Amino acid sequence: QQPVQSPQAVILREGEDAVINCSSSKALYSVHWYRQKHGEAPVFLMILLKGGEQKGHEKISASFNEKKQQSSLYLTASQLSYSGTYFCGSFIQGAQKLVFGQGTRLTINP
Amino acid sequence: KAGVTQTPRYLIKTRGQQVTLSCSPISGHRSVSWYQQTPGQGLQFLFEYFSETQRNKGNFPGRFSGRQFSNSRSEMNVSTLELGDSALYLCASSGGTGPNTGELFFGEGSRLTVL
Repeated sequence: QQPVQSPQAVILREGEDAVINCSSSKALYSVHWYRQKHGEAPVFLMILLKGGEQKGHEKISASFNEKKQQSSLYLTASQLSYSGTYFCGSFIQGAQKLVFGQGTRLTINP
Repeated sequence: KAGVTQTPRYLIKTRGQQVTLSCSPISGHRSVSWYQQTPGQGLQFLFEYFSETQRNKGNFPGRFSGRQFSNSRSEMNVSTLELGDSALYLCASSGGTGPNTGELFFGEGSRLTVL
């Protein structure tokens, strides 16, 4: 039931773009994105509730393809502050649980 | 507005012992979820409580249990500790009807080390 994220890790230079993918074998009701910096608690980025819906947070946006049960997180012109581990969470329809992927570690270098 | 508070922040136990972790959610939040975080495994769902009722449970053995009180504070207990239980245990609260449409607010976690 755990969604699968790819890539597992990515290293960028400041100003470059990145895409993090999340896919599930189960029907998705919603997709949630969180970022966790080292030694800190995960912090909410956004929720996508409808198929094809895109949302944005700073220069971070995401899409949700309900039919393909996939979501992608887009980080544009990355900043040093974007470094951290990104988790996608899928809310399983019919269950009251938010299940997270294994995380994608993003490192932004100057 | 105070955030999610977890206690204790750090603790060391030995195999076979039991441990109780506490979580105070944000005022007004009735949903509390617990996660286990270990390197390489990400965030593993333990259980979720809403208004004192456990609504769902993850794939953990019966040694892991929890409860929620009328003031929404929650506790989780792990009995007969094993080395593999060493992890960061995160609690998260959410408003409304729970994590289906709401943001999860995480506490800083309780780091458990089992020797």
